[in-house]
Amino acid sequence: QKEVEQDPGPLSVPEGAIVSLNCTYSNSAFQYFMWYRQYSRKGPELLMYTYSSGNKEDGRFTAQVDKSSKYISLFIRDSQPSDSATYLCAMTAQGGSNYKLTFGKGTLLTVNP
Amino acid sequence: GAGVSQTPSNKVTEKGKYVELRCDPISGHTALYWYRQSLGQGPEFLIYFQGTGAADDSGLPNDRFFAVRPEGSVSTLKIQRTERGDSAMYLCASSLGGGGETQYFGPGTRLLVL
Repeated sequence: QKEVEQDPGPLSVPEGAIVSLNCTYSNSAFQYFMWYRQYSRKGPELLMYTYSSGNKEDGRFTAQVDKSSKYISLFIRDSQPSDSATYLCAMTAQGGSNYKLTFGKGTLLTVNP
Repeated sequence: GAGVSQTPSNKVTEKGKYVELRCDPISGHTALYWYRQSLGQGPEFLIYFQGTGAADDSGLPNDRFFAVRPEGSVSTLKIQRTERGDSAMYLCASSLGGGGETQYFGPGTRLLVL
């Protein structure tokens, strides 16, 4: 079993829909949780960064972390065609190896106009 | 300001050849990372530099892979005797310091070994 599991999709939604993306993980040492967006043939771009459990909102994006269930989510409201990309969850532990990002496989999202 | 840059953007080589991939981090960033992303997978950690030294090279798959950062800025990932299984996107990232700070990724070098 991989440390981070993410459904690769693909996920196709109409413009304006609410999108829900999620990851589960097995390593209870993970404390920092990130969502990256990656357009085709480009490097990942950081969208959201959260520490431990709770919610964080930034514009149309909301990140949720539930450490008791080892489950994280990213919600996109009023989705736009420009949101079409692969979304990668990433996480890292606290302490000595907190620089080492562990990624999910990524979920390919298409928002149709 | 300028982000992380990587050259070349694409590299095609033949099995058994030697390749070098270059990364220019964001100016002033002391930490630099290499990741490898195979098709349909998330990036996997290869190596972490703090300054000139490799603080953690535990992700390098075998001794054909080597990376340097001689002056604490530009880094080169070197792959000897390339194999078809080395074909992947090689991503470089940098951060202001180490220790969990936000990592900013470059556009990657797509390596294809024929």
